[in-house]
Amino acid sequence: SQTIHQWPATLVQPVGSPLSLECTVEGTSNPNLYWYRQAAGRGLQLLFYSVGIGQISSEVPQNLSASRPQDRQFILSSKKLLLSDSGFYLCAWSPQVTGELFFGEGSRLTVL
Amino acid sequence: RKEVEQDPGPFNVPEGATVAFNCTYSNSASQSFFWYRQDCRKEPKLLMSVYSSGNEDGRFTAQLNRASQYISLLIRDSKLSDSATYLCVVNTNTGGFKTIFGAGTRLFVKA
Repeated sequence: SQTIHQWPATLVQPVGSPLSLECTVEGTSNPNLYWYRQAAGRGLQLLFYSVGIGQISSEVPQNLSASRPQDRQFILSSKKLLLSDSGFYLCAWSPQVTGELFFGEGSRLTVL
Repeated sequence: RKEVEQDPGPFNVPEGATVAFNCTYSNSASQSFFWYRQDCRKEPKLLMSVYSSGNEDGRFTAQLNRASQYISLLIRDSKLSDSATYLCVVNTNTGGFKTIFGAGTRLFVKA
């Protein structure tokens, strides 16, 4: 069966510090991968998605970036965090572009 | 107008009640539809897909009305464990992939 894991689960970072969140999927090949952000009490906002290695599409302009160095690995990064980057970050995969999404456990980021 | 709209609630219902949620979407070219459940401070989990013919999974029934551009979720015989936020999700793939999440409807089931 397929599994998805992301880490770290929780982190508190100062403004201006870098960020790296990692996500891996097991049990499938060539998944579509996504990064979402959910602000407190708000809906999910798609940040990036990838249909293959090295292929990244950005949905919103921001100081975040994503990379897919391997087929089942998706990384969310920032060189300098802003207060507004605080939120609940979710990695997800799907077997096809408009198919069901399966989420990792989430990473809760607080920027102080 | 938001692309996917849901009543935020909260819906407060007693155990055993039947409760229905609606969700409207603005893009008539939308192709696939889902309901997700999200518990507090947890990741969303797929509850069920929504098909044009309607579909049922135990106490849960989902329906799609393409003409009116809305989907619904009916929960019968509510349980305490049904308390969660229910997210409506709409996918389109015209000129580029797009998945839109509604902001969610909060449900509280009380004993």
